[in-house]
Amino acid sequence: AQSVTQPDIHITVSEGASLELRCNYSYGATPYLFWYVQSPGQGLQLLLKYFSGDTLVQGIKGFEAEFKRSQSSFNLRKPSVHWSDAAEYFCAVGWYSSASKIIFGSGTRLSIRP
Amino acid sequence: DTGVSQDPRHKITKRGQNVTFRCDPISEHNRLYWYRQTLGQGPEFLTYFQNEAQLEKSRLLSDRFSAERPKGSFSTLEIQRTEQGDSAMYLCASSLTYGRGQGTQSSTDTQYFGPGTRLTVL
Repeated sequence: AQSVTQPDIHITVSEGASLELRCNYSYGATPYLFWYVQSPGQGLQLLLKYFSGDTLVQGIKGFEAEFKRSQSSFNLRKPSVHWSDAAEYFCAVGWYSSASKIIFGSGTRLSIRP
Repeated sequence: DTGVSQDPRHKITKRGQNVTFRCDPISEHNRLYWYRQTLGQGPEFLTYFQNEAQLEKSRLLSDRFSAERPKGSFSTLEIQRTEQGDSAMYLCASSLTYGRGQGTQSSTDTQYFGPGTRLTVL
């Protein structure tokens, strides 16, 4: 069955520190991958996406993510977080072999310590 | 603003009432998706349209739920006889794709989300 796992429910980092949010997916078919961010009470904003090509993708707001097929992972990173990065982050995965819907992880809530 | 818009942003209703939500996608996007998001969870797929055709419905979409996209532009999601378990954020997304049906994906089939409609059933 297709599934997406974000193992960290809540992460707190200090402002200026580096960040890595984990995302793993199951199912062997070729995936395409997204990271979205959601502020309280708001919709989802696309941070970055991977469809093919270079496995390290750059997104908005200084975020990047790396697709590692061997580990079925698509972790999100940022070298130095800002207080405005506090939000909920969702990894989403689609598979070329299935319908066009994408499956979301349960999210990681990011808090920033001043 | 040329993003996805949803109306209303908030809806409070009593159990048993019917509610209808509207979604206006990004202009010329041919695909439109509905998701439901409950507290502490990621969005769950409900259904999607390509132009006016409803191509897939999730098992989450009970017979009390109906969605339409009559002219291939805006879409409505209606919930009849609401239950307290229907309380959630209902999200709409749209995308532009050159393929049709299952297993078809183009590099531009990226879903852009609206702000959502928060439904509270009392």
